[in-house]
Order: sequence, then C-alpha cells, then structure tokens
Amino acid sequence: ELKVEQNPLFLSMQEGKNYTIYCNYSTTSDRLYWYRQDPGKSLESLFVLLSNGAVKQEGRLMASLDTKARLSTLHITAAVHDLSATYFCAVDWDDMRFGAGTRLTVKP
Amino acid sequence: EAQVTQNPRYLITVTGKKLTVTCSQNMNHEYMSWYRQDPGLGLRQIYYSMNVEVTDKGDVPEGYKVSRKEKRNFPLILESPSPNQTSLYFCASSRLLGDQPQHFGDGTRLSIL
Repeated sequence: ELKVEQNPLFLSMQEGKNYTIYCNYSTTSDRLYWYRQDPGKSLESLFVLLSNGAVKQEGRLMASLDTKARLSTLHITAAVHDLSATYFCAVDWDDMRFGAGTRLTVKP
Repeated sequence: EAQVTQNPRYLITVTGKKLTVTCSQNMNHEYMSWYRQDPGLGLRQIYYSMNVEVTDKGDVPEGYKVSRKEKRNFPLILESPSPNQTSLYFCASSRLLGDQPQHFGDGTRLSIL
C-alpha cells in the first residue's frame, strides 16, 4: 500500500531552536515535495527533491532526500515565529500522496 | 499574474443536489489535479489529468467526476453529493508532472447537509 508518514504531527518549539521533521514513504519514488500551509490558506511549494541525496535550502529550512531509506527530512535552523505553519511532504507515484502534515508552532 | 482560480470559494448545499466546482489555470499547464483536505488526513488526491481528454483516478475518486475538455479548465462534479463529501477542496496545476511543484488554488469549502 502506498503510504506517506510524517512525524511528528505536532511540534511546538522555541525561537532559536533547531528541529527536524521526518517524512517516510512506503514505495520507491524519486520525486518528493515539501509544501507549507498557513491557517486558512492554500499550499505553497517549498522544495522539489528529484534524486537520491538531493539537498535544498531556503533560509532557515533545509530539505534532503534519501531514496534508499525512503526518507526525507525538513530541518529547521534557529526557528522564528514566521515559520509557524503546517508542513506537508508529498510523494509522486502514479498519483500524488501527501503526508498528514506537521503543525509547527514557534513560540517566543 | 499566474494563478489557479477555483469557484465557488464556499458552498453549503443539500444531499443529492448536483454541484460543480470550477477550476481554471492561466499558466498553460498540462497537469491538473483535485484534492480534498480533511483534518488529520492531509490532502488526498481525487482525480488528475495529464492533458486534455486524459483523466485518471487518484486515491479517493468515489462520488466524483471530472472532465478536461480544454487545457485551462478542470471542473470537479459531484453528481449526488453526500455529507461525507463535506471537505475543503483544492485544485492544482503544474507544467509537467514530476519536475515542477504544483500551484494550488485558494480552496473551496463545501458543506453538504
């Protein structure tokens, strides 16, 4: 069965701290996406990871892909309040499968 | 401005009354898709289309229909809506499946009473 699992589902962290969100998927794929969703808003693309070992960084966020382990990580460095949102990973098979999302709250 | 436009944004209706949610993109994208978002479940794909006249079922297609007669439009049709189709729906498009992220519309909140 095609499954995408994210953890944690809820994450509360203090400003300035580092943390990692994990995305595991059940069947081989070379295409993985990270999206951000603010409350009441649509989804915004963060990263597209297309090959094993791919690493992309934008500001305080860095995403990586290990296709052999079927694992992607989204690392947050020195969190700030503006990063508070829900983060989704999605894997592309014949259809697109999303994880359940990680609701991140960054507190001062 | 590049965008994906959904209408309506909100709709409250009753069981069994056919409805259509429209989706239009102005980016000349080949790939279009519909998702529903429910708390704790993330987004689940309903249908997708690789190009005009080509549509395929996603993860949860039951109770929905789509059509792709023109490249820019991808309407979602609920022939006989039921309460379990109450959800937040998103349309999305991308240039090519795989190498580009999808652009999402603002969402349509449907309530079926």
